[in-house]
Formats: sequence, structure tokens, C-alpha cells
Amino acid sequence: QKEVEQDPGPLSVPEGAIVSLNCTYSNSAFQYFMWYRQYSRKGPELLMYTYSSGNKEDGRFTAQVDKSSKYISLFIRDSQPSDSATYLCAMSDTRGKLQFGAGTQVVVTP
Amino acid sequence: DTAVSQTPKYLVTQMGNDKSIKCEQNLGHDTMYWYKQDSKKFLKIMFSYNNKELIINETVPNRFSPKSPDKAHLNLHINSLELGDSAVYFCASSQVADSSYNSPLHFGNGTRLTVT
Repeated sequence: QKEVEQDPGPLSVPEGAIVSLNCTYSNSAFQYFMWYRQYSRKGPELLMYTYSSGNKEDGRFTAQVDKSSKYISLFIRDSQPSDSATYLCAMSDTRGKLQFGAGTQVVVTP
Repeated sequence: DTAVSQTPKYLVTQMGNDKSIKCEQNLGHDTMYWYKQDSKKFLKIMFSYNNKELIINETVPNRFSPKSPDKAHLNLHINSLELGDSAVYFCASSQVADSSYNSPLHFGNGTRLTVT
């Protein structure tokens, strides 16, 4: 069993819809939680990060962490075609070595 | 002004050959990494160097040898290439070795290696 599980999708939504992405994990030592966005033929770029449990909002993006359930989520409001990408969750313990999920491909159709 | 640049972008070669991929970062970061992304998009760390010193060496065949001539460069040499080595290889850097949110990873755009 992988330490970080993420549904690969693809997840197809119409423009303007809310995109809901999530990851589950098994290592209770994870403290730092991140979401990376990867466009086709590009490297991943950091989108959101949270420390421990709670919510964080940045524009149309909201990241949630529920450590009791070992579950993290990313919500994208008012989705745009430019949000079409692969979204990878990543997490680390205090030693800092990142574990990535497999990535969910998101397609936003006009 | 690419922050993390790697060359070549594409690499097609035959089994048994030896090849190198080069990476340079102009962010002034101390730590550099090589990641491998397979066909299912799973991103896995291979090596990490902090100020030219190897600090992470995951379970990678010894046909893969990283070299860091200075902290701005990290190259990857692969001997005796095999079909299973086909993947996208990403170079990344971070300010310090703690690759958590306060020192996020900056990735290059990848080298697409195809072994035939």
C-alpha cells in the first residue's frame, strides 16, 4: 500500500463548476501538506500548502486537512479551462522528505 | 530567466547506451533533487544533494550516478540504459534540505527519456 493515495481521474467538469480533489494517507507523522499543479509537458509548481489540520483559502482555491481521518482536500471554485492540469498532493513529516500522490488529471470544458 | 533548467528536453536512445542529463538552477538554492515520474504520473525522489553533498539516495540501481560540481548544478548519468528507465526525469531545487512548505520545491520542465 502506498503511503499517499490519490485517484488519478480524469475528472471532467464544466466551466464554472467546483472541482473537488482529495488524497488519503497512512503515515500519521505527516505534518506538512501541499498541492502542486502540473500542466502538460511542464514541471509541477506549488499551488497551496497547509500545516497540520485546518483550512486555507487563496483566491478560488481552498485546501483542507483532516489529520484525524488522514484526509486532505483541494477545492477549486468557479473553475476555468486554464485550471485543466494534473494536481498532485504532497506531504512530509518534520524531516522534510516529500511523498507525492499519483496526481489527479482535471479537465475543465468550456 | 528559467529558474531550474534541464537539458536535453527529449532523449531517445537504445538499450545499453550511456546518457547524461544536466540541470542548473539560478535561484541560489542549497539543495537539488532528481525525481522520476513514470507513465502513471507517480513522482518519486531518486537523489538529493545539499551544497554538493549527497543527502538522499533512494533505492535506485547503481547504473544511475548523480554528480554535483557545484551547488547550482546537478547532473544525472545513466549507464547501460534499460527499457524500464523510460520516464520523465525532473530536476528540482529548494532553499534548504527541508522540502516542506517553507522551502518548497521548484521543478524544471523535465527530460523525457525514451529507451528503445
